[in-house]
Amino acid sequence: DTEVTQTPKHLVMGMTNKKSLKCEQHMGHRAMYWYKQKAKKPPELMFVYSYEKLSINESVPSRFSPECPNSSLLNLHLHALQPEDSALYLCASSQEPQTRNYGYTFGSGTRLTVV
Amino acid sequence: AQSVTQLDSHVSVSEGTPVLLRCNYSSSYSPSLFWYVQHPNKGLQLLLKYTSAATLVKGINGFEAEFKKSETSFHLTKPSAHMSDAAEYFCVVSVRGTGNQFYFGTGTSLTVIP
Repeated sequence: DTEVTQTPKHLVMGMTNKKSLKCEQHMGHRAMYWYKQKAKKPPELMFVYSYEKLSINESVPSRFSPECPNSSLLNLHLHALQPEDSALYLCASSQEPQTRNYGYTFGSGTRLTVV
Repeated sequence: AQSVTQLDSHVSVSEGTPVLLRCNYSSSYSPSLFWYVQHPNKGLQLLLKYTSAATLVKGINGFEAEFKKSETSFHLTKPSAHMSDAAEYFCVVSVRGTGNQFYFGTGTSLTVIP
C-alpha cells in the first residue's frame, strides 16, 4: 500500500457543527502532516506529527484540533469553524521526520465548505 | 533562510510542443528539491525529486528536471506536452535542519492548447 487515504472527500458543515477529518497510511511512515490549501495557492502547513507526537503547530486556531491515535492514523477535529476556513485539507506522510530525501506522500484531500 | 520562486504563475503551450516550468531556490545548505503536480480538486502527486545524486532527474509521465547549483535552479521540462499535463505544478525545497519541512513555491498553472 503506497497511498494516503483521506475521508471524507467532501464535507459541508455549519458553523456550530463538530466534525472530523480522517487520514490513514500503511506505509510505515513515522511523520504525518496536515495542510490547508486555498484555491490557486500552495498548501500551508498546519500541524506535524513525529512518532505520534505533535512536533509543529503553525499557530493554528484552536477550533482545529489534531489527533494521532496511532502511527497509521491522523485525525483533524473541527469545531465552530468560520466560512473562511473553507478549503482543501490535505494530509501527507513521510518516512522519517528528519529525512529529506524521500518527499511526502499526499492524500487526495477533503474539500471542506463551512456555511 | 529557505525559499522557492516559481518564475511564471501561468504557462500556456500547444499540445505536442515542449514544456518549461521555471524554479529557483534559495538555501543555506544543500537542498532536496521536488516537483509536484496537482490536477483540479486532487491531491499532490510527486513528479520527481533531486536529493544530491544525479543532477539530471527523470520523473513520471516524461518529465525531467536539472539541478544547477551555480544558477540555483531546478527547472521542469517535458519534450512534448499532452492534454493531460494541464494542471498546477509546485516546486518544493526541503533543507536539512528545518525538521524536513517543505517550502512550497507559489505554483505554476499549465494550460495545454489543443
